[in-house]
Amino acid sequence: AQKITQTQPGMFVQEKEAVTLDCTYDTSDPSYGLFWYKQPSSGEMIFLIYQGSYDQQNATEGRYSLNFQKARKSANLVISASQLGDSAMYFCAMRELRGSTLGRLYFGRGTQLTVWP
Amino acid sequence: NAGVTQTPKFRILKIGQSMTLQCAQDMNHNYMYWYRQDPGMGLKLIYYSVGAGITDKGEVPNGYNVSRSTTEDFPLRLELAAPSQTSVYFCASSWDREETQYFGPGTRLLVL
Repeated sequence: AQKITQTQPGMFVQEKEAVTLDCTYDTSDPSYGLFWYKQPSSGEMIFLIYQGSYDQQNATEGRYSLNFQKARKSANLVISASQLGDSAMYFCAMRELRGSTLGRLYFGRGTQLTVWP
Repeated sequence: NAGVTQTPKFRILKIGQSMTLQCAQDMNHNYMYWYRQDPGMGLKLIYYSVGAGITDKGEVPNGYNVSRSTTEDFPLRLELAAPSQTSVYFCASSWDREETQYFGPGTRLLVL
């Protein structure tokens, strides 16, 4: 079974608008972490935001916020006031903290975000 | 502080050739990882290391080998390259397993 599911292959948003990128996850580990990474066309992986499974509040980092709904196992990324430079591939990832995987990240297939003027 | 560095940036190999992808980090991180990213896909773990002298297999280890003789370096060896190994390879590191992983710029490998 897929550990991370991103159902939106592509999303379009107008500059200055907000956009939500969906992510659902599957784990039986009670202790886990959720991440979002940005991959621009240049190819590097840029860390954006992190949410721990025991965190009570949704994580925020500047224009990025993570809408964490534990019961639904979803960890959607919200980008407010989109900018042209936000155009990139976005990956959701999960890390389980128990078991033998020792911190490896499970990645979704990504969502290609295009911001238009 | 250069973070995670990878060399080369791009390489073309012929089927059956071998090569080593270099990865180094200057953050004194204990954990290091190698991932591959196939077109249109997320990253998959090849090998990881929790410290010098300790390595273990990830999800897709076949056709690869690693070593970790120092904290800083974590090279990935491809033996007998195959077209299926055409991919982008990312090295990552973190202080421990609960910390954020930081990625290198990637190595684009083409096997013909």
